Amino acid sequence: QITLKESGPTLVKPTQTLTLTCTFSGFSLSTSGVGVGWIRQPPGKALEWLALIYWDDDKRYSPSLKSRLTITKDTSKNQVVLTMTNMDPVDTATYYCAHTLIADDAFDIWGQGTMVTVSS
Amino acid sequence: QSVLTQPPSVSAAPGQKVTISCSGSSSNIGNNYVSWYQQLPGTAPKLLIYENNKRPSGIPDRFSGSKSGTSATLGITGLQTGDEADYYCGTWESSLSAGVFGTGTKVTVL
Repeated sequence: QITLKESGPTLVKPTQTLTLTCTFSGFSLSTSGVGVGWIRQPPGKALEWLALIYWDDDKRYSPSLKSRLTITKDTSKNQVVLTMTNMDPVDTATYYCAHTLIADDAFDIWGQGTMVTVSS
Repeated sequence: QSVLTQPPSVSAAPGQKVTISCSGSSSNIGNNYVSWYQQLPGTAPKLLIYENNKRPSGIPDRFSGSKSGTSATLGITGLQTGDEADYYCGTWESSLSAGVFGTGTKVTVL
């Protein structure tokens, strides 16, 4: 059974750096074809694809946010970390991590999400 | 702003059928798999359809997916009150080497 859970601060100040951790179980990020992605959703708005890291450490980023995002993995800890620099109130959203397979590009299992508010 | 366009809302009576369109281009839907997600109020999205028309285990066959050219469609038959949710399409954008989601569609059961 695959599960994922996001953790991190619920409140950050403008200009600060956000660090979110996705801790997962039921699969290994060293298995060929496996990936973990990050998706966010501002209140009342649509899903936005942020970043993705694959088993082979291949990394993909949303072009509009690429300069602010870094995604890394710690296979031994079963964790994926997303950092976003220079946070702004418009970055207020629920942030989700999700499991994917390179074969179909779909996010088949999602974490419950973590709400992050950017405010001074 | 998403590169995948969906109608903001669709509605139908219980037992009826609704279809949700997802319009893209050759660099996304036209050359990549499409997936569909259901997001019930206050919950995380759930995968409904992958690889254009396949259903994960546990997803009822009332939900179906199709793709033609640069558009995809999600169909829901036998509409139930529990189907009231937001629905999103998703695919890979080859020109950006990144994933993209649709604008989202709210389904209302009248």
